[in-house]
Amino acid sequence: NAGVTQTPKFQVLKTGQSMTLQCAQDMNHEYMSWYRQDPGMGLRLIHYSVGAGITDQGEVPNGYNVSRSTTEDFPLRLLSAAPSQTSVYFCASSYSLAPGNTIYFGEGSWLTVV
Amino acid sequence: KNEVEQSPQNLTAQEGEFITINCSYSVGISALHWLQQHPGGGIVSLFMLSSGKKKHGRLIATINIQEKHSSLHITASHPRDSAVYICAVTIANYQLIWGAGTKLIIKP
Repeated sequence: NAGVTQTPKFQVLKTGQSMTLQCAQDMNHEYMSWYRQDPGMGLRLIHYSVGAGITDQGEVPNGYNVSRSTTEDFPLRLLSAAPSQTSVYFCASSYSLAPGNTIYFGEGSWLTVV
Repeated sequence: KNEVEQSPQNLTAQEGEFITINCSYSVGISALHWLQQHPGGGIVSLFMLSSGKKKHGRLIATINIQEKHSSLHITASHPRDSAVYICAVTIANYQLIWGAGTKLIIKP
């Protein structure tokens, strides 16, 4: 049981490049989400999914795409990287967000856009 | 004004001290979470509570729903407790609102 696996851990991109952050969980969780963490701010929700085939936008979705073709995987795509997307990204999952369900996080992905 | 406010932002204490981190919120919630983020980034859930008090080892979390306030206490603090402690609340439609975190440093 690996929990939430997030890759890559570190990435440097040039402005305009695209890339995909991978997230996989092996706990059969329905709810998965992507956050970005910037200095002095709380985690901000980018996109989330409540099950395979269902995704929705969070607080800061612009410049990012997601898909959920399987329960296990929830990749985050940066379409055309911008310096403003330099951040630490976290994938999280839980069985649901109803009270009583623990949230599990990946180890984080440090992304720098130059 | 942020909907979830944590205080203090930074806290430095000596080993053995009793630590209190506060979280205030301004929205209706169904649950409140305390999480710990160690240097290097990993985030771990410590507590989820909707009323009263929970204890795990040297960590105690309390919540006062009427006052919209929660505290995280650490007894007999140790350098390994050094981390960022994050408060988050679950609101309607089960979404989360996050505090900015409290950076705790425990000196030997």
